[in-house]
Amino acid sequence: DQQVKQNSPSLSVQEGRISILNCDYTNSMFDYFLWYKKYPAEGPTFLISISSIKDKNEDGRFTVFLNKSAKHLSLHIVPSQPGDSAVYFCAASGYTGNQFYFGTGTSLTVIP
Amino acid sequence: KAGVTQTPRYLIKTRGQQVTLSCSPISGHRSVSWYQQTPGQGLQFLFEYFSETQRNKGNFPGRFSGRQFSNSRSEMNVSTLELGDSALYLCASSLDIPQGMNTEAFFGQGTRLTVV
Repeated sequence: DQQVKQNSPSLSVQEGRISILNCDYTNSMFDYFLWYKKYPAEGPTFLISISSIKDKNEDGRFTVFLNKSAKHLSLHIVPSQPGDSAVYFCAASGYTGNQFYFGTGTSLTVIP
Repeated sequence: KAGVTQTPRYLIKTRGQQVTLSCSPISGHRSVSWYQQTPGQGLQFLFEYFSETQRNKGNFPGRFSGRQFSNSRSEMNVSTLELGDSALYLCASSLDIPQGMNTEAFFGQGTRLTVV
């Protein structure tokens, strides 16, 4: 049973525009959410996180939004750059501490 | 500060054999977790070790096991390999934190296991 879902396997965006990646979760016990970026043949790299006590967290070009009532989070990248092209995974954790539940990933392509 | 180191990077094994993968966490991190990544399945949690004890376990058969040493280094073992075990195996290390707080996991580059 996939508790964290990314329903868009791929996304293409023009350079300079906004990229919006979405993620849904089913377990209301999750209280910490993260986004990871992954290039081929490398491990995932931590990007940004958000605690359930907040609804927004910003770090430079990256902003994560959390809608707890809808069990939905999204990652906004503004402006998108070609170097942002990678697979993005959302993840969640909570009552089980350092056990993270991952989505299946969204492959972002930023077109120059 | 050195990152998470996994060895070997690539491995080819025959069905029925066993394999051991190694992970050295970031210095000071005492929590080590293992994940399996297969196409279309994302990252699936295998288990987490802290202070040489398995603290959490995912839904994998008993053929998958692990251990952690006193220096926090961890090994993962898969016995009686099956073709479906072909995957990227990722190790992640985290700080251990007080209950009720959260922290991110830092991943190694992974070991690509191919079972033939």
